[in-house]
Amino acid sequence: GAVVSQHPSWVICKSGTSVKIECRSLDFQATTMFWYRQFPKQSLMLMATSNEGSKATYEQGVEKDKFLINHASLTLSTLTVTSAHPEDSSFYICSAPPLRTGGPEQYFGPGTRLTVT
Amino acid sequence: GNSVTQMEGPVTLSEEAFLTINCTYTATGYPSLFWYVQYPGEGLQLLLKATKADDKGSNKGFEATYRKETTSFHLEKGSVQVSDSAVYFCALTEGTSGTYKYIFGTGTRLKVLA
Repeated sequence: GAVVSQHPSWVICKSGTSVKIECRSLDFQATTMFWYRQFPKQSLMLMATSNEGSKATYEQGVEKDKFLINHASLTLSTLTVTSAHPEDSSFYICSAPPLRTGGPEQYFGPGTRLTVT
Repeated sequence: GNSVTQMEGPVTLSEEAFLTINCTYTATGYPSLFWYVQYPGEGLQLLLKATKADDKGSNKGFEATYRKETTSFHLEKGSVQVSDSAVYFCALTEGTSGTYKYIFGTGTRLKVLA
């Protein structure tokens, strides 16, 4: 089946620094990828839609200058949390719909746990 | 706007018990409905799906039927196992190819005791 990977799986950083999280589709191409954040014992909240070759689309309330998204190729999207603060600590998950299917099904990465100290 | 409501957990059952996790939705159009499962420390895995009214999704003994009249997609399993312990998310998508967005419910934690 289709596999989506994320790197790193967990990261600890100091307040004020930036952290980059990678999302890769390993065996399929995706022109669109989605980034979510999940707080402890809560649901996934969509942050933004990453579009290959164009700007990302952010959901209401998400700071685009703080969460920089780059969709560099058909298999890679990156999320950079800039000037991270403790309240940015969360579980970040990406997903991607396979280009070949065109349907609503998506494949999710295993997530990246970010802790800002 | 669109939304998904799930029953709150945690749900604690004994092995071989019957499971029902309720899910209802609000949508302006004709969404596709999904159940995802998240095992401890892992990402979401698709459990089953239904793309139109009256469709029944099934996988690994789990079933859910897309009920348009009651806007529901309840998850059921006749006999749960300890290995089913996880968090279950109900979700919907709407949109056209390449623009689908997921809306998730809050998740229901299931704990199955031996």
